[in-house]
Amino acid sequence: DTVLTQSPALAVSPGERVTISCRASESVSTLMHWYQQKPGQQPKLLIYKASNLASGVPARFSGSGSGTDFTFTIDPVEADDIATYYCHQSWNSRTFGGGTKLELK
Amino acid sequence: QVQLKESGPGLVQPSQTLSLTCTVSGFSLMDYSVHWVRQPPGKGLEWMGRMKYDGDTYYNSALKSRLSISRDTSKSQVFLKMNSLQTEDTAIYYCTVLYYFDYWGQGVMVTVSS
Repeated sequence: DTVLTQSPALAVSPGERVTISCRASESVSTLMHWYQQKPGQQPKLLIYKASNLASGVPARFSGSGSGTDFTFTIDPVEADDIATYYCHQSWNSRTFGGGTKLELK
Repeated sequence: QVQLKESGPGLVQPSQTLSLTCTVSGFSLMDYSVHWVRQPPGKGLEWMGRMKYDGDTYYNSALKSRLSISRDTSKSQVFLKMNSLQTEDTAIYYCTVLYYFDYWGQGVMVTVSS
């Protein structure tokens, strides 16, 4: 199965730009998606197919990449963005990354 | 509007079989695939498997030997059965539509304990 590797945590301040990376163990083309999960809530789709903003998602969120290397960016970060972010591929079966927990500095 | 709701036992004994039901509304199971995703307490998301809109199934290779997903389109229900449960199967179990949009059930907490 395709393994997705994310850094476990990042500390940010509101107003900053933050980039989260996700590396796949093999190419997933552009079938990489990004989810946000806040404590006690279900995940929520933010970016689909690497760079497409899901409906209703603010333009502060963006994604890029193809093949094995992907990035997810929030610019600028708001306090409400503190959450865990997961990458998820749908090219080879489906797998989730381990998640990156965004914390306040 | 689209809704998914999981139901099933909150407590399962070790070595027993887990049976969960996902009841959907607002769409047809013949139009969209329904996936099962689980999340152990304090840990990340794990994709378990899916019932495709055409009735085909696909499973996480790590769970394939223990997992079965089926459906009843007339009742708009998708079923998950997983046998030989162990404590590490303790998790919130979600059914979800994962497409270029997503819909999630509220999740059901399943604890494996004697």
